[in-house]
Amino acid sequence: AQSVTQLDSHVSVSEGTPVLLRCNYSSSYSPSLFWYVQHPNKGLQLLLKYTSAATLVKGINGFEAEFKKSETSFHLTKPSAHMSDAAEYFCVVSDLGGATNKLIFGTGTLLAVQP
Amino acid sequence: GAVVSQHPSRVICKSGTSVKIECRSLDFQATTMFWYRQFPKQSLMLMATSNEGSKATYEQGVEKDKFLINHASLTLSTLTVTSAHPEDSSFYICSARDDRAILYEQYFGPGTRLTVT
Repeated sequence: AQSVTQLDSHVSVSEGTPVLLRCNYSSSYSPSLFWYVQHPNKGLQLLLKYTSAATLVKGINGFEAEFKKSETSFHLTKPSAHMSDAAEYFCVVSDLGGATNKLIFGTGTLLAVQP
Repeated sequence: GAVVSQHPSRVICKSGTSVKIECRSLDFQATTMFWYRQFPKQSLMLMATSNEGSKATYEQGVEKDKFLINHASLTLSTLTVTSAHPEDSSFYICSARDDRAILYEQYFGPGTRLTVT
């Protein structure tokens, strides 16, 4: 069985400061991991994905995440927060090689960016 | 590219009626689409996997007779909530897998907010 745990339901940062959104996963297989962002009243947008290539993954809008197998973690970071980064972020795991491509979503982290 | 639309974006219906939600892949073909449900301030829960030309696969605990899924073409899947009740009020989101894309790539629609009165 697969699962993801997002350790913080809410994170608040000041504009221009670093962002860290934490995610731990559990998987019986080599997982594929994703971060999605959901802005209010908008669809989910893929930020980045890990699919067993480089462990440091760079995504859109300056976000990146590092896959650490020893820690079963896939934390999302950004060096400097922007007001437009305020949104809900979901860490997602998928079964590698699974024909169904099921995505298992974490409970989400709401990021607030203070001016 | 890779745009998924949903219609309607919002719908209000009376208890006991049925509501149909459409999910379309606008610029790609999608043999497989997925339907999710999201409660307020909660995560997305996969309801079912929709496959063109065959029956949908429902997740455990999802009533297939209540949530009817039809994937009649490579660009359209529909979810019909039958005999809706207030507890069916939720945000329904679909995603579509691009048949040409690498494995795991799903594109999400903007969601449909259903309110049952």
